[in-house]
Amino acid sequence: EVQLLESGGGLVQPGGSLRLSCAASGYTFSTYAMSWVRQAPGKGLEWVSAISGGGGSTYFADSVKGRFTMSSDNSKNTLYLQMNRLRAEDTAVYYCAKTKYCTNASCRNDAFDIWGHGTMVIVSS
Amino acid sequence: DIQMTQSPPSLSASVGDTVTITCRASQTISTSLNWYQQKPGKAPKLLIYAASSLQSAVPSRFSGSGSGTDFTLTISSLQPGDFATYYCQQTYSSPSITFGQGTRLEIK
Repeated sequence: EVQLLESGGGLVQPGGSLRLSCAASGYTFSTYAMSWVRQAPGKGLEWVSAISGGGGSTYFADSVKGRFTMSSDNSKNTLYLQMNRLRAEDTAVYYCAKTKYCTNASCRNDAFDIWGHGTMVIVSS
Repeated sequence: DIQMTQSPPSLSASVGDTVTITCRASQTISTSLNWYQQKPGKAPKLLIYAASSLQSAVPSRFSGSGSGTDFTLTISSLQPGDFATYYCQQTYSSPSITFGQGTRLEIK
């Protein structure tokens, strides 16, 4: 069974850092691009970042560019999101998601077919 | 950025009804449009990809159509488990994808 399992969320003060992990199983991890998508309490879905399969190119939403980095470890089948200089507006459930077809994260015609259960990040003093 | 506008923001319907949710893109996106279902406290679930293709294991009561800027998700013969929030997503400007604001489907 294809599964994604996030961890690493928690309470952090504004300006602090947190690293999220997403452990993948049940498929060839390096074959597919991955994304992080977040959802603030009571709000809609917001794409945060993406990485091409095999740990290639990374891409970020303007709202997190320069503060967040994304990486993957193919030997551990794990995706990471390093979040620095956190702000109150970063408070959200963070989901990792696998693309249905593409290795390249900039592939135009794709979808997120597998999602993790999410991990909550709260930025507050 | 490509903006995605869903309508209505919410709607009420009864078990057995047929409902339609629309999604409009701020510029043409061909058929690079997906639909997701999200229940409270759960991750989104892919229903429809490439505007009209049914994801594996999703009931055929769900259907999608459209191309260019205007898209629809139709759910026929509503079942109790269908009451949820639905999101459209464009991947035309990938990797900078965007979601609609969501449509909450409630039981009347």
